[in-house]
Amino acid sequence: EDKVVQSPLSLVVHEGDTVTLNCSYEVTNFRSLLWYKQEKKAPTFLFMLTSSGIEKKSGRLSSILDKKELSSILNITATQTGDSAIYLCAATTGANSKLTFGKGITLSVRP
Amino acid sequence: DGGITQSPKYLFRKEGQNVTLSCEQNLNHDAMYWYRQDPGQGLRLIYYSQIVNDFQKGDIAEGYSVSREKKESFPLTVTSAQKNPTAFYLCASSPGQVPYEQYFGPGTRLTVT
Repeated sequence: EDKVVQSPLSLVVHEGDTVTLNCSYEVTNFRSLLWYKQEKKAPTFLFMLTSSGIEKKSGRLSSILDKKELSSILNITATQTGDSAIYLCAATTGANSKLTFGKGITLSVRP
Repeated sequence: DGGITQSPKYLFRKEGQNVTLSCEQNLNHDAMYWYRQDPGQGLRLIYYSQIVNDFQKGDIAEGYSVSREKKESFPLTVTSAQKNPTAFYLCASSPGQVPYEQYFGPGTRLTVT
């Protein structure tokens, strides 16, 4: 059974802190790993990491895929209150691009 | 504007009634997906469809049914056989089989009492 595990499940930090969110996966026919941010409703896409693109960066957010360790991290530097959200990690498997999601990490950034 | 729409935003039903959630996309995407989200559970796949007139069960299909008669539409019916239907339902679409990211609609919150 495909499995994606995220840790920690929740995190409280103060503005300006740097945080690292973890994701590990055990899936058959792995194709890519995706990170989403969910603030109330629809998850919004952050990054997709594949064998040909194991490191991505956008502003204060960056992500790395470690295919040997079957894991990924999402880093957020100089956190802001607007970063408060649930961060979802998902692995794409097989030919049908089916996504298997982790349970999500709830990040709270205090002023 | 291209995107995915879901309606209604909130839905209330009595136990024992079937209810259909709408999902429409104008992104010309081939693949569409239905997920269920419960607190602390992440997203779980209910059904998905890669082409018109074809769909497959996801991880928690029991008590749900779908149809895909048009490329842009993928309605989900929550039947009375679904034991715990109260949840947040998200529809998504993606261009196709290459690992593309999935784009999500705004969701429908269903409450069954």
